[in-house]
Amino acid sequence: SAVISQKPSRDICQRGTSLTIQCQVDSQVTMMFWYRQQPGQSLTLIATANQGSEATYESGFVIDKFPISRPNLTFSTLTVSNMSPEDSSIYLCSVDGVAGGFTDTQYFGPGTRLTVL
Amino acid sequence: AQSVTQLDSQVPVFEEAPVELRCNYSSSVSVYLFWYVQYPNQGLQLLLKYLSGSTLVKGINGFEAEFNKSQTSFHLRKPSVHISDTAEYFCAVIKAAGNKLTFGGGTRVLVKP
Repeated sequence: SAVISQKPSRDICQRGTSLTIQCQVDSQVTMMFWYRQQPGQSLTLIATANQGSEATYESGFVIDKFPISRPNLTFSTLTVSNMSPEDSSIYLCSVDGVAGGFTDTQYFGPGTRLTVL
Repeated sequence: AQSVTQLDSQVPVFEEAPVELRCNYSSSVSVYLFWYVQYPNQGLQLLLKYLSGSTLVKGINGFEAEFNKSQTSFHLRKPSVHISDTAEYFCAVIKAAGNKLTFGGGTRVLVKP
């Protein structure tokens, strides 16, 4: 497995602003993923982030709202843009492919709890 | 596409009693199956997974699950729960050789003393 950290752990933001969430892994990984967990709900995949290519977004999520960067094999960011109260959620990153191998198993970070007022 | 149904949204259980969390999936292709646990205010932790081989899978914290291909189920069990098992449990599937996890709706387990 891998040790995954996220910053910030939580934040309270005003509507109309943007927040960038960081995901750091202690080893190189092939695949990184971003999920949203709305209050009381399950997890929904936002996008898959591969190093050196554009992120692949799932239906219902667009790059203008959730731009993602993946500058190297240990780091990714997700920005939640022009926020509204409906964006209040926990945002989690996950990884697969530690050290270049595919394990078919995703490991999750601790999440970022976002509240938009 | 795959889908996952967790049949119970909440399961209250007394300490030291057994618990079973039900998970059914739908897929036209082979899948891998997972159970994750989310403790209050924390991220997801992998409990166990089924990729292939023995259909009875043992995980951490005394949990086990059985893959039943004919019934498309992957139910999670623990023979004796502790207060510390109070958490939300998620069943998830991924297409074999794929990378997109599909989660069930979650089952909230509340262990009572």
